[in-house]
Amino acid sequence: EPEVTQTPSHQVTQMGQEVILRCVPISNHLYFYWYRQILGQKVEFLVSFYNNEISEKSEIFDDQFSVERPDGSNFTLKIRSTKLEDSAMYFCASSAGGPYGGEKLFFGSGTQLSVL
Amino acid sequence: AQKVTQAQTEISVVEKEDVTLDCVYETRDTTYYLFWYKQPPSGELVFLIRRNSFDEQNEISGRYSWNFQKSTSSFNFTITASQVVDSAVYFCALWLPNDYKLSFGAGTTVTVRA
Repeated sequence: EPEVTQTPSHQVTQMGQEVILRCVPISNHLYFYWYRQILGQKVEFLVSFYNNEISEKSEIFDDQFSVERPDGSNFTLKIRSTKLEDSAMYFCASSAGGPYGGEKLFFGSGTQLSVL
Repeated sequence: AQKVTQAQTEISVVEKEDVTLDCVYETRDTTYYLFWYKQPPSGELVFLIRRNSFDEQNEISGRYSWNFQKSTSSFNFTITASQVVDSAVYFCALWLPNDYKLSFGAGTTVTVRA
């Protein structure tokens, strides 16, 4: 089965530093997402992206966060100035179809971000 | 607003016991989709099932079965004859057509002891 690939698997950074989390969605998928999961908690939606635009974002996704699809294959999440509370597992996901189809989301294995 | 409720935080069973995970959802939409995902200790999210709101047939896949009841807004998941490899966190999730996101419940941690 095709996979969503995320790099790195672990990222350690100092508070205030910028981090970029990278994802390669499944090649024919059109919709992309970032979710995060703080240790032991639920999986929380951050942002969805379609046609080079943000479709929806949560209240967590403030000005410190941005997403980009810099080329035809990568999808990135940037955190400009990390805070301790940004420490979490970040999951990238992609789907072939959009919201009206209830398409299955394929998730990557996640990037564990630790902010010290 | 909480759209998906998984009231059971943790369930512990002995191997070969059956375990049922409850999921109650909330929506006024007539069209919606319900999902279950499994998160094993390795951390990835594994898709188990998708069900649309117009299909109330129960489904069985091996030792897994799902009971969808619109009347009670529930989409429960049963693992029959549990095995140690079933130990994981299980998430129920809801997709609404006007949302560009999947909304997860808090998850239920299942521990199967040998």
